[in-house]
Amino acid sequence: DVKVTQSSRYLVKRTGEKVFLECVQDMDHENMFWYRQDPGLGLRLIYFSYDVKMKEKGDIPEGYSVSREKKERFSLILESASTNQTSMYLCASSSTRLLNTEAFFGQGTRLTVV
Amino acid sequence: AQTVTQSQPEMSVQEAETVTLSCTYDTSESDYYLFWYKQPPSRQMILVIRQEAYKQQNATENRFSVNFQKAAKSFSLKISDSQLGDAAMYFCAYRRYNNNDMRFGAGTRLTVKP
Repeated sequence: DVKVTQSSRYLVKRTGEKVFLECVQDMDHENMFWYRQDPGLGLRLIYFSYDVKMKEKGDIPEGYSVSREKKERFSLILESASTNQTSMYLCASSSTRLLNTEAFFGQGTRLTVV
Repeated sequence: AQTVTQSQPEMSVQEAETVTLSCTYDTSESDYYLFWYKQPPSRQMILVIRQEAYKQQNATENRFSVNFQKAAKSFSLKISDSQLGDAAMYFCAYRRYNNNDMRFGAGTRLTVKP
């Protein structure tokens, strides 16, 4: 079974802190994604990566950056956390080689910025 | 960017009855994939069913089936014999054929009444 693991289920951070959300997948997937989930807005794509060191902006990249130094790991970085970044963050991975397969998700990190 | 619209924020169904969740999408592509995901209270996103746009036959997975209307850009999910465990948020998602990122609707919260 594919496993996507997010390092924290819950996080509470202070405004202005630098925050790292970590995600690891064990299926050798090329693609990894970070989504933000808010009520009434669904999942919005922040960034995705289709290869090591490669990244592309999604719909809402402002205030975020990402890092992918190894194929299995994709990090989301909040450079200076703000209260409007309080949200649920979901990491996902998928295969490029098997285009008809779905994305597999982690359990989510609920981030609260105070 | 492609958009996915779920016009029903909340739906309710009686146990053992049938319910249909609606999804429409906007695209100029002819080849793509559509997905329905389920997110129970545990927050783990689980694939329910997928549909390849080039296939005319509607996908079916046990009690779950879709009504895929390509010309109308509609992709509804039918849940038959609803069970208490079907209660969850349901997300419709679109993925272009030769693209990696996936776009989601805002979600429909399904309640199953005993």
